[in-house]
Amino acid sequence: GENVEQHPSTLSVQEGDSAVIKCTYSDSASNYFPWYKQELGKGPQLIIDIRSNVGEKKDQRIAVTLNKTAKHFSLHITETQPEDSAVYFCAVPTSGYSTLTFGKGTMLLVSP
Amino acid sequence: DAGVIQSPRHEVTEMGQEVTLRCKPISGHNSLFWYRQTMMRGLELLIYFNNNVPIDDSGMPEDRFSAKMPNASFSTLKIQPSEPRDSAVYFCASSYWGGSYEQYFGPGTRLTVT
Repeated sequence: GENVEQHPSTLSVQEGDSAVIKCTYSDSASNYFPWYKQELGKGPQLIIDIRSNVGEKKDQRIAVTLNKTAKHFSLHITETQPEDSAVYFCAVPTSGYSTLTFGKGTMLLVSP
Repeated sequence: DAGVIQSPRHEVTEMGQEVTLRCKPISGHNSLFWYRQTMMRGLELLIYFNNNVPIDDSGMPEDRFSAKMPNASFSTLKIQPSEPRDSAVYFCASSYWGGSYEQYFGPGTRLTVT
């Protein structure tokens, strides 16, 4: 099955700094790469995704970059704010794209 | 839309008791997923349904776990008998298969088995 590795497991930054979370995957046929954000006491929520026909996608302060050759993709958050504090998950489609395999998650803490 | 609805939000039970978790997916979605989240194992897919039919239950830990989807608007995950190691947060998610891959998660049920 698909193997998804996510790093780091925890990340602490000061407000205003940038944060980068990286995810590597094993199936070179994967073509959809989402990132989910899970706030305390809530379920994960999709925040950005990218398909393999582009290398980068931005949405305000967040961006995702993809390197298909190296089989990794990254989440970039600029000008971090305390409300960005959450657990972030990468995911990769599996099983004929019916399901997602999630990384272990990165706990991001943004200090004021 | 109210989003994915799960009940109960919290469940505390004693070892050996039966536990039933409930999920109402988003109207119009035709795929439903049950996940378990723990610190040690992260977010694990237990089972998923397409058009109310179970497609893959290979993630169900053992025979004590069972899931049903009698219609497009309701699913249950049952644990019988429950054990302390079943303590976790259980999420239900739904999506529209054939459209976006995005999965919409419910708020989860925190299960504690003592």
